[in-house]
Amino acid sequence: GQNIDQPTEMTATEGAIVQINCTYQTSGFNGLFWYQQHAGEAPTFLSYNVLDGLEEKGRFSSFLSRSKGYSYLLLKELQMKDSASYLCAVIGDYKLSFGAGTTVTVRA
Amino acid sequence: TAGITQAPTSQILAAGRSMTLRCTQDMRHNAMYWYRQDLGLGLRLIHYSNTAGTTGKGEVPDGYSVSRANTDDFPLTLASAVPSQTSVYFCASSAGLEYNEQFFGPGTRLTVL
Repeated sequence: GQNIDQPTEMTATEGAIVQINCTYQTSGFNGLFWYQQHAGEAPTFLSYNVLDGLEEKGRFSSFLSRSKGYSYLLLKELQMKDSASYLCAVIGDYKLSFGAGTTVTVRA
Repeated sequence: TAGITQAPTSQILAAGRSMTLRCTQDMRHNAMYWYRQDLGLGLRLIHYSNTAGTTGKGEVPDGYSVSRANTDDFPLTLASAVPSQTSVYFCASSAGLEYNEQFFGPGTRLTVL
């Protein structure tokens, strides 16, 4: 199975940058996803990393280091609508497992 | 395009009763999944299906059963509900195996009393 750790909560100010870290232990690594989930809604896909390095998509970027079992999601120019839970999910041995999620609160 | 739909939206169920949660997708995805989401535990996989006619057990399959008679539908059945099955249930689908992006339905909030 996989062990996936991410902080429970983070708070940041509108317009700022927040970095959400995710560490994992898994066998047969096949990739890492980040999902966004607003309260009471379904998760929606943000990013997918399978190779080391940074993937940039607008205000959101995701980084992966396979040797360190580490990823982060970077949210830039924070907006109030970015207040949500961010889920790190790892594929190991072709099974997808989710972390418990990081709740980000954006304050004005 | 509807994408992936679930029914009902919410349900209160007496312990010991049976219930089927419905899930339908119109994206012709091969793979479908059922998760439960509980506070502090994140999403946990209950059952999955890689293609019509096949199913597999996830992390927490006990007390649940699934079937995959066709590509579009993937119902989840609780044969005899217990209070610990109170949760939010999400159905998801993807084009192929787990390393493809998963699309989630809106969820079913189930309370077992």
